[in-house]
Amino acid sequence: DTAVSQTPKYLVTQMGNDKSIKCEQNLGHDTMYWYKQDSKKFLKIMFSYNNKELIINETVPNRFSPKSPDKAHLNLHINSLELGDSAVYFCASSTGSPNTEAFFGQGTRLTVV
Amino acid sequence: AQSVTQLGSHVSVSEGALVLLRCNYSSSVPPYLFWYVQYPNQGLQLLLKYTTGATLVKGINGFEAEFKKSETSFHLTKPSAHMSDAAEYFCAVILTGGFKTIFGAGTRLFVKA
Repeated sequence: DTAVSQTPKYLVTQMGNDKSIKCEQNLGHDTMYWYKQDSKKFLKIMFSYNNKELIINETVPNRFSPKSPDKAHLNLHINSLELGDSAVYFCASSTGSPNTEAFFGQGTRLTVV
Repeated sequence: AQSVTQLGSHVSVSEGALVLLRCNYSSSVPPYLFWYVQYPNQGLQLLLKYTTGATLVKGINGFEAEFKKSETSFHLTKPSAHMSDAAEYFCAVILTGGFKTIFGAGTRLFVKA
């Protein structure tokens, strides 16, 4: 019974294409996130949503557009993919309280060729 | 601004030896501190956290960490390393408000037989 699930796990696509990654959590959390992990394992927050509202947008190119249809889902759509977008993207959720941890999905490895 | 510094991108220990992974934070307010572990091709999972109260925090898999305010440190230790401990470890701090977790650059732990 996966708490935070994201699909697909692997995504290989050509430059210029548009792709989406889906994320769902069944923990009843109010807050969801997208993180990008580069090849050196560095984790950087991209977006944070609370109760379907965008709270944090960390100067991510506007080719990246998150969408939260409800509190349990946060999808990430990427337009005009570039080589530099290749990374592992993690979805996560939490209660939004500062003393509670985030729960992470398994990640989506995006490779742009 | 709050930040997290992990000293040593790679740490190698022998099986049965002490594990010490270093983390220092900078924060203008009392922080909430976390250690996460990432096994290959997986998402992050929580090892332990410090919010308030006892400064020595015990986590899963025999790990513990001590919050030292005077040293602004939150080092992770384990008395005896197992081969299964080989993974990437991340120290993290949550910014006030709970909507943004800042991760350190990560420390890769190698365990030699």
